[in-house]
Amino acid sequence: DAKTTQPTSMDCAEGRAANLPCNHSTISGNEYVYWYRQIHSQGPQYIIHGLKNNETNEMASLIITEDRKSSTLILPHATLRDTAVYYCIVRVGNDMRFGAGTRLTVKP
Amino acid sequence: GAVVSQHPSWVICKSGTSVKIECRSLDFQATTMFWYRQFPKQSLMLMATSNEGSKATYEQGVEKDKFLINHASLTLSTLTVTSAHPEDSSFYICSAQGSLAGGRLYFGPGTRLTVL
Repeated sequence: DAKTTQPTSMDCAEGRAANLPCNHSTISGNEYVYWYRQIHSQGPQYIIHGLKNNETNEMASLIITEDRKSSTLILPHATLRDTAVYYCIVRVGNDMRFGAGTRLTVKP
Repeated sequence: GAVVSQHPSWVICKSGTSVKIECRSLDFQATTMFWYRQFPKQSLMLMATSNEGSKATYEQGVEKDKFLINHASLTLSTLTVTSAHPEDSSFYICSAQGSLAGGRLYFGPGTRLTVL
């Protein structure tokens, strides 16, 4: 019952920016957008989250559209170690429910 | 950042036995912990939510008598898979949340359970 839609997979060249889109057209006004990633056989790693303003940290930038119906995670300079499944999650209350995510492959 | 540990990291057991998995928040107090299960090539599925000192809330389709969850302290939650069967073989992941409601979740490294 995830409230987000993401492409199944994407490729990105090493050193280039990786832009991962996410649609969340039914998001409510007080629901945050979270991004996590999971490298094979590890627990998910927090990347970034936001409500309506764009956010940036040492890992990535999060761009949320003005109507909040979609967002984009940007990894500015992708490396091979960024190959992972990236999950966009709209947090409903206290629960964190994962959709299928986007499998990002960074290629040399 | 905050650290969540799980023990064991992997376990192999015989069918019919019970297995306990521990989840610890190492440097913060976790008022809420979540347990997930992940089958190969699938996403994480939320199994249950536990609040310290109270009974866990299980997701629909998750048997509470089979997956016993105890959250007896602010730094420890345990998941016991009772009478495990091969179909219970999976990657079990816990996450913990601090006292601020709606705060970031920190995930453990996961426990791979194989039931023979």
